[in-house]
Amino acid sequence: EAGVAQSPRYKIIEKRQSVAFWCNPISGHATLYWYQQILGQGPKLLIQFQNNGVVDDSQLPKDRFSAERLKGVDSTLKIQPAKLEDSAVYLCASSLDLGRINEQFFGPGTRLTVL
Amino acid sequence: AQSVTQLGSHVSVSEGALVLLRCNYSSSVPPYLFWYVQYPNQGLQLLLKYTSAATLVKGINGFEAEFKKSETSFHLTKPSAHMSDAAEYFCAVQAGTDKLIFGTGTRLQVFP
Repeated sequence: EAGVAQSPRYKIIEKRQSVAFWCNPISGHATLYWYQQILGQGPKLLIQFQNNGVVDDSQLPKDRFSAERLKGVDSTLKIQPAKLEDSAVYLCASSLDLGRINEQFFGPGTRLTVL
Repeated sequence: AQSVTQLGSHVSVSEGALVLLRCNYSSSVPPYLFWYVQYPNQGLQLLLKYTSAATLVKGINGFEAEFKKSETSFHLTKPSAHMSDAAEYFCAVQAGTDKLIFGTGTRLQVFP
């Protein structure tokens, strides 16, 4: 079974530029998560989708971050404009359905460096 | 509010020695607790999880953890460290919702 796919794996941009990350969850998984992992910290949830609807985006900086999951499968996370403090690894995870009984499976992440 | 505290950002052990990584949690409702491992340039992999069944949980790669409600702890142990265990380990809590709340991680180094 294929795992969670993310691209690109690495991205370097200058501050005030825009960037987008892509995630393809495990086939059949209804729930998708984006986490931000800053160096030296644990991952922090940015946004959670159930199919193409948002369940939780309370930690998403909505002035610069946006995310969508239009057809309930793939998802994109965008930052516009980027700031230095956005340098982090962005992890995508998916689970079969809502409910904490369902394990979250993580992708390899996209490492963003903002100069 | 839920949170986890991992004591010790770095732990070093010799190959064959006991591994002990500490995690304390705070939760107002019965929690689910997790340990994840992260190898360089890879995503998180689930080692084990506690979901209110047996308090001693066995995971992959010989790791286990014990849920102690009286101490609000969920420490991770392995009797004998292997070089391949070198990685970063994260404790996490889920309480009431799907959201995983992670600790700051412990980097394990294993010396020959």
